Amino acid sequence: RKEVEQDPGPFNVPEGATVAFNCTYSNSASQSFFWYRQDCRKEPKLLMSVYSSGNEDGRFTAQLNRASQYISLLIRDSKLSDSATYLCVVPSWGKLQFGAGTQVVVTP
Amino acid sequence: DAGVIQSPRHEVTEMGQEVTLRCKPISGHDYLFWYRQTMMRGLELLIYFNNNVPIDDSGMPEDRFSAKMPNASFSTLKIQPSEPRDSAVYFCASSPSLQGADGYTFGSGTRLTVV
Repeated sequence: RKEVEQDPGPFNVPEGATVAFNCTYSNSASQSFFWYRQDCRKEPKLLMSVYSSGNEDGRFTAQLNRASQYISLLIRDSKLSDSATYLCVVPSWGKLQFGAGTQVVVTP
Repeated sequence: DAGVIQSPRHEVTEMGQEVTLRCKPISGHDYLFWYRQTMMRGLELLIYFNNNVPIDDSGMPEDRFSAKMPNASFSTLKIQPSEPRDSAVYFCASSPSLQGADGYTFGSGTRLTVV
């Protein structure tokens, strides 16, 4: 089983709609988590950190379910500029493990 | 701060040639990471340094790959000889800690094409 697993998508979302997707992780000892955003042909950039049960930053909400070992990212009122690949990142064995990413495409 | 700086941005080379990728981390960041990203395998950690010392190179694919960090402001990743399967985007990242609250800051990457 991979350390971090994500649905690759793409998730096609109409502008203004809400989209949510999950990430599962295998190391139950992981404490803090991250969501990164990667635009096409660009570097990954930190979107938000996730501690305790979750975190909210504007239109973005991340939730953590330790019992089931998954974290989710929800984007409300999607904008065209939200189109990107979202990478789930989990600390494991002393390092940050990156998921393969979930592609989100917001359409007009 | 200018962020993590990588050079070159693009590199096209012929199979068998030596390739050197360069990275300048953010000043004050004690950790430096080299990643490789491909469509098939995603983002893979190749090696990371702490205070200029290589800590974990288990992700380095084979002996053709080597990395050095001669000082706190410079690191290189060398491939010799290069092969077409090495074609990928290579990212350098730095961080003040291994699992810190601010994650890792990535450079813009070097897009390597080996023909």
